[in-house]
Amino acid sequence: QQPVQSPQAVILREGEDAVINCSSSKALYSVHWYRQKHGEAPVFLMILLKGGEQKGHEKISASFNEKKQQSSLYLTASQLSYSGTYFCGTDIFGNEKLTFGTGTRLTIIP
Amino acid sequence: ETGVTQTPRHLVMGMTNKKSLKCEQHLGHNAMYWYKQSAKKPLELMFVYNFKEQTENNSVPSRFSPECPNSSHLFLHLHTLQPEDSALYLCASSPVTRGFSYEQYFGPGTRLTVT
Repeated sequence: QQPVQSPQAVILREGEDAVINCSSSKALYSVHWYRQKHGEAPVFLMILLKGGEQKGHEKISASFNEKKQQSSLYLTASQLSYSGTYFCGTDIFGNEKLTFGTGTRLTIIP
Repeated sequence: ETGVTQTPRHLVMGMTNKKSLKCEQHLGHNAMYWYKQSAKKPLELMFVYNFKEQTENNSVPSRFSPECPNSSHLFLHLHTLQPEDSALYLCASSPVTRGFSYEQYFGPGTRLTVT
């Protein structure tokens, strides 16, 4: 079943922070986050495994709440390069089959 | 440079044509995937190959026929498509071991238009 992402779209000024959420109705083995810029391939950001971990990648970090089956992606001090559509992909069985959310379009303005 | 290439990048075909999409990965990965990305829809997993063996067919119509001759190459053969099949078709690969979850590397996609 498809995970639900929120918000669907957000506009930020450069330097502001954003949080993108991804929720599942099923117990998850892992959550993947990807960013896709217009006309380009999705690019991997990070994976979070069950166990409620938090990971960081420069100024982009994420958490995974296993009790709520929810992951949140945190973008701090946003840069123009952060613009794009962010997708979460959920993995239920610990195999290679991901189900992706509908995406969150992030626009950073100067 | 993602290490995953796809050809052609753009394809226009009639409903009675037969064409093939090609994907090649230069990353030494074991698993390869086909995804469909339509406007305003999430990425839809179509097929998964793991060590050249098909491990997933996500209820894809038979007019789409995948082929994986080796771990580096993946094809998607198309025939008698419908206009609703117009979409961006993305190939991906990953270094997968059963029981673990690894990042997927995507190619740039083939923009398919069915007329």
